[in-house]
Amino acid sequence: NAGVTQTPKFQVLKTGQSMTLQCAQDMNHEYMSWYRQDPGMGLRLIHYSVGAGITDQGEVPNGYNVSRSTTEDFPLRLLSAAPSQTSVYFCARLDLDGLAEYTGELFFGEGSRLTVL
Amino acid sequence: AQSVAQPEDQVNVAEGNPLTVKCTYSVSGNPYLFWYVQYPNRGLQFLLKYITGDNLVKGSYGFEAEFNKSQTSFHLKKPSALVSDSALYFCAVKRNTDKLIFGTGTRLQVFP
Repeated sequence: NAGVTQTPKFQVLKTGQSMTLQCAQDMNHEYMSWYRQDPGMGLRLIHYSVGAGITDQGEVPNGYNVSRSTTEDFPLRLLSAAPSQTSVYFCARLDLDGLAEYTGELFFGEGSRLTVL
Repeated sequence: AQSVAQPEDQVNVAEGNPLTVKCTYSVSGNPYLFWYVQYPNRGLQFLLKYITGDNLVKGSYGFEAEFNKSQTSFHLKKPSALVSDSALYFCAVKRNTDKLIFGTGTRLQVFP
């Protein structure tokens, strides 16, 4: 699983419900990120974190919150789910290859398929 | 702004034939370019990357890609396709510490 564990794998929500997608990595990597994958749209970055206590927005942050209280965990929260958030969500960690410019590759979890009715 | 385009939604090729999956990019300065593969119901897996140096980059599973600065392209290639290569392929680009931007993906179908 590339050292990235996502739970749950599947979830169905009703509009307005809240939930948290969990992401954990076991290799003490600093950089973690959340993407959503939609047909014809590729992967779009939601939020990312370069270390504990540090988070930042990606391309499509609206409707999502994140926190990074520890290096290991990077949960993604939907406060009030909407049908437009029906998607497959991927958490990823970055391998820093010794350079400061984050040129390393991303390693992805297996994904969480979310359906909002 | 950075962007990456994969002009083909799907590429079909017969097993044993060479394959090419196209990718073009737009970024100011020197790009970092990546290819990922996604098998059904799985996360993306890293195939190869270009950071600097030799324009021809070799990666996993016999894949390679050629960086062409004048044409701003980074096409993925393999000399002899396998049925097991059938998957969704994503090109991605970034510059320095900027975030990684993915293309929309190309589905490769290899027929026996």
